[in-house]
Amino acid sequence: LAKTTQPISMDSYEGQEVNITCSHNNIATNDYITWYQQFPSQGPRFIIQGYKTKVTNEVASLFIPADRKSSTLSLPRVSLSDTAVYYCLVTLPSGGYNKLIFGAGTRLAVHP
Amino acid sequence: GAVVSQHPSRVICKSGTSVKIECRSLDFQATTMFWYRQFPKKSLMLMATSNEGSKATYEQGVEKDKFLINHASLTLSTLTVTSAHPEDSSFYICSAPRAGTTEAFFGQGTRLTVV
Repeated sequence: LAKTTQPISMDSYEGQEVNITCSHNNIATNDYITWYQQFPSQGPRFIIQGYKTKVTNEVASLFIPADRKSSTLSLPRVSLSDTAVYYCLVTLPSGGYNKLIFGAGTRLAVHP
Repeated sequence: GAVVSQHPSRVICKSGTSVKIECRSLDFQATTMFWYRQFPKKSLMLMATSNEGSKATYEQGVEKDKFLINHASLTLSTLTVTSAHPEDSSFYICSAPRAGTTEAFFGQGTRLTVV
């Protein structure tokens, strides 16, 4: 599976939109892009998954350009409770049935 | 609510003893589960793939005799840390896929401290 690169950390303030970009230059044709969120001392939680263009759910949006070599997780109007580590992963379509390789993740700190 | 449950959430044990961590899938069957460990401020590292009814598959560098995995039923996988040492202190997390979904469901993790 393709390696991913994302910023180590980001800071934001309550009410702002946060965009976290992930690079995955070697993504394969069958690969999906999946984002997980992890709070301290908890297991990761699925946020969103996409293959191309734009995906939106009640939590976030995921933007994927045509070449699919990068993707951007967008969190609208963050709150203090969005402070967490966000992981970008390249996954096969069967998702959770395959082992997941986590990169370093992005540590997001939301300030009052 | 949680679809994968781990127990215990926290455990402290003495060096040389063994500790068993349980991972249960709630309301669904999981023929495959995964075990990860995570050190403070670090990412998750895959340890092994637990397969119901067969031997676990360990990642390179993970000692299978140290970390015993048993997946005896379709809803339960256990990780036993044998002869624990302080360097085994870590956060252990399991995950399981659920049919009909593409995401992995993670347990809440187990904080192991070996003293």
